[in-house]
This record gives sequence, structure tokens and C-alpha cells, in this order.
Amino acid sequence: DAKTTQPPSMDCAEGRAANLPCNHSTISGNEYVYWYRQIHSQGPQYIIHGLKNNETNEMASLIITEDRKSSTLILPHATLRDTAVYYCIVRGLVNDMRFGAGTRLTVKP
Amino acid sequence: NAGVTQTPKFQVLKTGQSMTLQCAQDMNHEYMSWYRQDPGMGLRLIHYSVGAGITDQGEVPNGYNVSRSTTEDFPLRLLSAAPSQTSVYFCASSYSGQKEQFFGPGTRLTVL
Repeated sequence: DAKTTQPPSMDCAEGRAANLPCNHSTISGNEYVYWYRQIHSQGPQYIIHGLKNNETNEMASLIITEDRKSSTLILPHATLRDTAVYYCIVRGLVNDMRFGAGTRLTVKP
Repeated sequence: NAGVTQTPKFQVLKTGQSMTLQCAQDMNHEYMSWYRQDPGMGLRLIHYSVGAGITDQGEVPNGYNVSRSTTEDFPLRLLSAAPSQTSVYFCASSYSGQKEQFFGPGTRLTVL
């Protein structure tokens, strides 16, 4: 039970912003939202995480709705190297991450 | 730092054989985990550890054993390999339960 819902695939034009949505309507108060991506068959790579405030780092921005039932990962200027499967994960205090099927993002020239 | 290392990269087993997948990290992380990934699917948690001497089951623990005698190492043992265990296995570590996980490159296991 991954506790999140993501679209199976999305396309984005190179240089444009990629906005990846995630629904997590059953999230509880002490659970964080994490985003990872997996390029080809490599090990997943951490992108960003947050609890209730919006977060930004050098890779992406994370927007979490006020009710915390959904979030959006934003890649501001997508490149071909951002083509990957993106996983939205809800995680509590223990080290127990449940991956869903993720969203396959294809960045097109 | 080497990060998270896994050996072997590839392995072929016959049904009923046993083997140990090795995982090591040099970041002094307390948390370590093992996942499996079947084709076209997300990762599923097998076992995890919150520190040396402490392990717990994840989502799909049957057929696998783990131990954590040191902070650095977290081996995964397949007791009697079955074709259903054909998968890619990833090991991960993190400083704490709320920190990012660092993943190894994976071990691709085929059970005939």
C-alpha cells in the first residue's frame, strides 16, 4: 500500500517546467512527503522532501497544499537528463518507505 | 566516500541455492534497508535496520534473512532461492528516519 497516487506518465518539452502531481489524501500529521527519481535501472536518487511548507533546493521545488492531501514536484527547466520515473512517497518516523509505480516523465526536445 | 556499495552486480542461481547479497556504507548511517524491484514496478521494502543489532520486516520479507552486526554492513540472505525471487535488489542507507536515503547501484539476480 503505497499511500500515494500519481499519473503513470507525463511528457514535458525541454526547457519548460515539469509539474508532477501526487495525491496523498490519507497522510497523517507526522508523515513527510518525499520525492525520488530513478533513471533507467539505476538506484533511486533523492530529490526533495517536506512536511507542510513549500521547499526548494537546487534540483526542484515541492509545493504541498494547505490540507496536505496533495503535492506537486516542480522541475523548473526540464532537460533531457530529467527523463526518469519519479516517485512520490509518504514516510513516517520509521525507515519504511513504500514506493508506488511512480510517474514516467519523458522530456522531449 | 564510496557511498553505498553492493556486491555482486549480477548473479545467477539455481532453485534451492542459497546466497548472500552484500551491502556496505561508509557514511556512518544508522538506517539501512533492502528493497526489491520487479520489472515495471516500484521498489518494495524487504527488511530494514535502525541500527546495529536491530532489524525489522518490511513489506515482502518472506524468503529473506538479514542481520546487522556492524553499522557499516547489512547483508541480505536468500535461504533457498526461488524463481519468484528473480529481481533487482537495492540497498539503501540514511542518517536517520527523516533524512534522505542513499541507494546502491543494485544487484541483478536471476533464479533459474
